[in-house]
Amino acid sequence: DTAVSQTPKYLVTQMGNDKSIKCEQNLGHDTMYWYKQDSKKFLKIMFSYNNKELIINETVPNRFSPKSPDKAHLNLHINSLELGDSAVYFCASSHSRGVVDQPQHFGDGTRLSIL
Amino acid sequence: DQQVKQNSPSLSVQEGRISILNCDYTNSMFDYFLWYKKYPAEGPTFLISISSIKDKNEDGRFTVFLNKSAKHLSLHIVPSQPGDSAVYFCAASAEYGNKLVFGAGTILRVKS
Repeated sequence: DTAVSQTPKYLVTQMGNDKSIKCEQNLGHDTMYWYKQDSKKFLKIMFSYNNKELIINETVPNRFSPKSPDKAHLNLHINSLELGDSAVYFCASSHSRGVVDQPQHFGDGTRLSIL
Repeated sequence: DQQVKQNSPSLSVQEGRISILNCDYTNSMFDYFLWYKKYPAEGPTFLISISSIKDKNEDGRFTVFLNKSAKHLSLHIVPSQPGDSAVYFCAASAEYGNKLVFGAGTILRVKS
């Protein structure tokens, strides 16, 4: 019974294409996130939504646009893909800010490869 | 600018012995620290956390120690088991906020 699920698991595409990654959580959390794990293995936050409202927006190219239709879903759309976008993208969810001992739960990642 | 550092890329330990994974941070605003464990092709899984008002938190075989003056935390696993072999990430946040800053991870290998 998957708690945070993201699709697809693998995505191979050409430079310049537009692609989307979907994320859904069934934990009843109200906050969701996107992280990027680059080639150096660092996990870096990109975006966070709380109850469909954007609350964290790190320095990310505006080719990346998150969309949250409801608090259980946070999708990531990427326009005009570039070679440097190749990475593993992780979705996560948690209860609201300020709640101690409510850690973020992660999906299994989407490995994006740009040819 | 790495605010959370895990200086040991890998660690190898014999089954049954203690594993000690270390993490240093630079941002004095961090007040909540977590350890995540990650297997290949899976997402990070929460292991244990500690808030800055404590210096130790224990959960079964896992204990996290926090030394605020040294800006250092460590994860102790005892006894280590082969199933503990994974990548361990240290993470931190400020004001119990949701923006986690991760270290680069340490690969732990437990040999049987």
